[in-house]
Amino acid sequence: SQQGEEDPQALSIQEGENATMNCSYKTSINNLQWYRQNSGRGLVHLILIRSNEREKHSGRLRVTLDTSKKSSSLLITASRAADTASYFCATNKRGNNRLAFGKGNQVVVIP
Amino acid sequence: NAGVTQTPKFQVLKTGQSMTLQCAQDMNHEYMSWYRQDPGMGLRLIHYSVGAGITDQGEVPNGYNVSRSTTEDFPLRLLSAAPSQTSVYFCASTTSNQPQHFGDGTRLSIL
Repeated sequence: SQQGEEDPQALSIQEGENATMNCSYKTSINNLQWYRQNSGRGLVHLILIRSNEREKHSGRLRVTLDTSKKSSSLLITASRAADTASYFCATNKRGNNRLAFGKGNQVVVIP
Repeated sequence: NAGVTQTPKFQVLKTGQSMTLQCAQDMNHEYMSWYRQDPGMGLRLIHYSVGAGITDQGEVPNGYNVSRSTTEDFPLRLLSAAPSQTSVYFCASTTSNQPQHFGDGTRLSIL
C-alpha cells in the first residue's frame, strides 16, 4: 500500500528561495528516501535517512525525520532553475528492500 | 558501468497484443523491481525479485508476469495488453537496503 504522502504537491518559487516539502507515512520504517525526477527521466536518489537519524544534509539539501510524528521534510536551499523537477519520498520497511512511494511534489523554480 | 538499462524507450501496442519490457543491470544487485507511474499516482510496485529464481508480487501485479533467470536481467511481460496498462514503466535495482537505481523508463501506450 502507498505510504508516503507529500504535501504540498505543486510548488512554484523564485530562484534563490528555499523550497520545503513534507512527507508523512503510516507504519514503522527502516529508512526513508528522497528521489528527484526530471521530466521524461528516471528517478535519481537524493538522500537516505535511517530511522535512528533525525537530520541529514547533502549539499543544498536538508532532510529531517520525525519518527514520533511519522513525517519527513526535504528542504532545498537557494534554489536554482535546475532544481525544477518532481520530488518523491519513499519508505522502506524493516527487513526488505521494497519501497513505497508517495505521489510526488512538482517543484518549479522560476529564473 | 551502464547502471540500469531499459528497452524499448517507447512502444505502442494494440489491445490484446503481448510484449516484453527488458531490464538489465550491471551492478550485481540482488534486488530488482518493476514499477508503473501514472499521473497523480506516484510509483506503484508491480513485481520484484530478491535474487535469481525468486520473484514475488507487488502492489499491482495483475496482467503482468516476470522471471529472473540471471542476476542481471528482469524482464516484464504483458500477456494480453489492455488500455489500462498504458503507463510509464520503471525498472530499479539495489542491494542491502541501499538506495535504488532506476532506468530511464519505457513509455507504453495501448490503443
